Amino acid sequence: DQQVKQNSPSLSVQEGRISILNCDYTNSMFDYFLWYKKYPAEGPTFLISISSIKDKNEDGRFTVFLNKSAKHLSLHIVPSQPGDSAVYFCAASEGSSNTGKLIFGQGTTLQVKP
Amino acid sequence: DSGVTQTPKHLITATGQRVTLRCSPRSGDLSVYWYQQSLDQGLQFLIQYYNGEERAKGNILERFSAQQFPDLHSELNLSSLELGDSALYFCASSVVPTRYNEQFFGPGTRLTVL
Repeated sequence: DQQVKQNSPSLSVQEGRISILNCDYTNSMFDYFLWYKKYPAEGPTFLISISSIKDKNEDGRFTVFLNKSAKHLSLHIVPSQPGDSAVYFCAASEGSSNTGKLIFGQGTTLQVKP
Repeated sequence: DSGVTQTPKHLITATGQRVTLRCSPRSGDLSVYWYQQSLDQGLQFLIQYYNGEERAKGNILERFSAQQFPDLHSELNLSSLELGDSALYFCASSVVPTRYNEQFFGPGTRLTVL
């Protein structure tokens, strides 16, 4: 039972353009969402997060949008740079849980072409 | 470098064997998490410890066990290994065990069961 889904295994964009990575979830108890980025041979690193009381959070070139009614979030990277090429994981946590347990999606591999 | 260390980097063993994966959290972090990433899958939460005590449990198999020691390092023990246990095992740590605290991931241990 995949509670967090990233339906696009890969995405390729041109340098300077916008990258949009999508994530869907099924558990209505999720109220905190995160994006992690992973380079080969390294562990994931935290990128940006959003609480369900917001619908948008921005940090430099990265913006996360949350649509609670659709149970959908997206990560926008503008402008995309070759160094952004990595695997991006969406993750979620439940409000009822006072732990750090995160539920991850399968990941989307982003390739930014120079 | 996240500050989280995991040993060994690679481990090759046979079915039916038992292995121990080790994790040293970042200095000052009290909570440790274990995740499993199988081929083409997202990270699956296994278990979380906080200051030596189990804090949260995911879909961890009965053949797997973990503990956090007084010096805060953690070990994940995998026994009666099966081919399907081949995966990347990540350890992460955070200062405190709640979901708003950023988790810092180690580079992972790649386990291959032959």
